[in-house]
Amino acid sequence: KAGVTQTPRYLIKTRGQQVTLSCSPISGHRSVSWYQQTPGQGLQFLFEYFSETQRNKGNFPGRFSGRQFSNSRSEMNVSTLELGDSALYLCASSLGEYRERYGYTFGSGTRLTVV
Amino acid sequence: GIQVEQSPPDLILQEGANSTLRCNFSDSVNNLQWFHQNPWGQLINLFYIPSGTKQNGRLSATTVATERYSLLYISSSQTTDSGVYFCAVSDRGSTLGRLYFGRGTQLTVWP
Repeated sequence: KAGVTQTPRYLIKTRGQQVTLSCSPISGHRSVSWYQQTPGQGLQFLFEYFSETQRNKGNFPGRFSGRQFSNSRSEMNVSTLELGDSALYLCASSLGEYRERYGYTFGSGTRLTVV
Repeated sequence: GIQVEQSPPDLILQEGANSTLRCNFSDSVNNLQWFHQNPWGQLINLFYIPSGTKQNGRLSATTVATERYSLLYISSSQTTDSGVYFCAVSDRGSTLGRLYFGRGTQLTVWP
């Protein structure tokens, strides 16, 4: 079966712009979470969605937002981009309500560069 | 949140050597996974192992939950094993989906 699909793979944006990243989870998976990876901070949790509801949010400013659709696909949006937002953004999907029992599968990520 | 520490931070091996990577965590967990990040950035799931021992080919992992650590063993290493290995855990006290990651072990295998 298809894995977790993230689009686009690479993105270059200018400071002040906004960006939307997309994640399609594995078919049947209802939980989608997002992570930011930078050399300085490592892998940090952004937020998690389950059945279209945000269940948990990490310590990021309000410029970072997301949503999940009825087909479990998720998008995250970053407004007013800053240079420090340059990072690899990873999406993970998990089976469902008992997601912690099955683990998470990650996509290939979107590498965002802000210039 | 849970603190996750991985050691060593860097490991350089000759092809064919064995290695052990360690992950310590600060609190009780209900999920522990080992990932390998390939050069293109994707996190490849190696093991889901909140407790016990699992083996998959040349790789095996052991988690001793009561002592709050996990070990990843790589035997007969190959150049394709190079990359960063991450340990990630979820808080036992929460049903919310959030993984806490260590800083990783950068493994380099030379031919």
